[in-house]
Amino acid sequence: GAVVSQHPSWVICKSGTSVKIECRSLDFQATTMFWYRQFPKQSLMLMATSNEGSKATYEQGVEKDKFLINHASLTLSTLTVTSAHPEDSSFYICSAKMFGSSNYGYTFGSGTRLTVV
Amino acid sequence: AQSVSQHNHHVILSEAASLELGCNYSYGGTVNLFWYVQYPGQHLQLLLKYFSGDPLVKGIKGFEAEFIKSKFSFNLRKPSVQWSDTAEYFCAVNAQGGYKLSFGAGTTVTVRA
Repeated sequence: GAVVSQHPSWVICKSGTSVKIECRSLDFQATTMFWYRQFPKQSLMLMATSNEGSKATYEQGVEKDKFLINHASLTLSTLTVTSAHPEDSSFYICSAKMFGSSNYGYTFGSGTRLTVV
Repeated sequence: AQSVSQHNHHVILSEAASLELGCNYSYGGTVNLFWYVQYPGQHLQLLLKYFSGDPLVKGIKGFEAEFIKSKFSFNLRKPSVQWSDTAEYFCAVNAQGGYKLSFGAGTTVTVRA
């Protein structure tokens, strides 16, 4: 089945530094990928929609300059948390949308636990 | 925009008990409905989905869900749970033709052996 690989699975960084998270579709082409943020004991909140070859679409309240998204190829989307602060500590999850009558749905990466100290 | 409400935050039950998790959505148009499960330390996995047709949908691991359009509901059920069903369960919806998934807050299910 369709697999999305997310890397790293966890990262600890110092306040003020930037962190890049990668999301790769391993056996299919993903023209659209999604980035979510999940707080402890809460649901997934959509941050942005990443479209291959074009600018990402951010949800209301999400800082574009802080969460940089790049979707340069059909198999790779990256999320860079710039100038990270402790309040950015969270669980970030990417997802890709699959098309086709038998495969319609979404597949999710395993997530990245970001801790900013 | 669509929204999703899950009624139970935490459910605790014993093995072999029956499980039902409530999910209601708010949206004026036609929707696709999903239930996902997140086992401890693992990524989200699709349990089942509904697009059209028979409103009773059967998924993996013995789960099923019923879409009741008049009630805007998509409740998840399992007749007899196992300890391995301990996980977080999320209901999600997107508008047909759309691509954004909206998630409910999730329900933590703890099954005691």
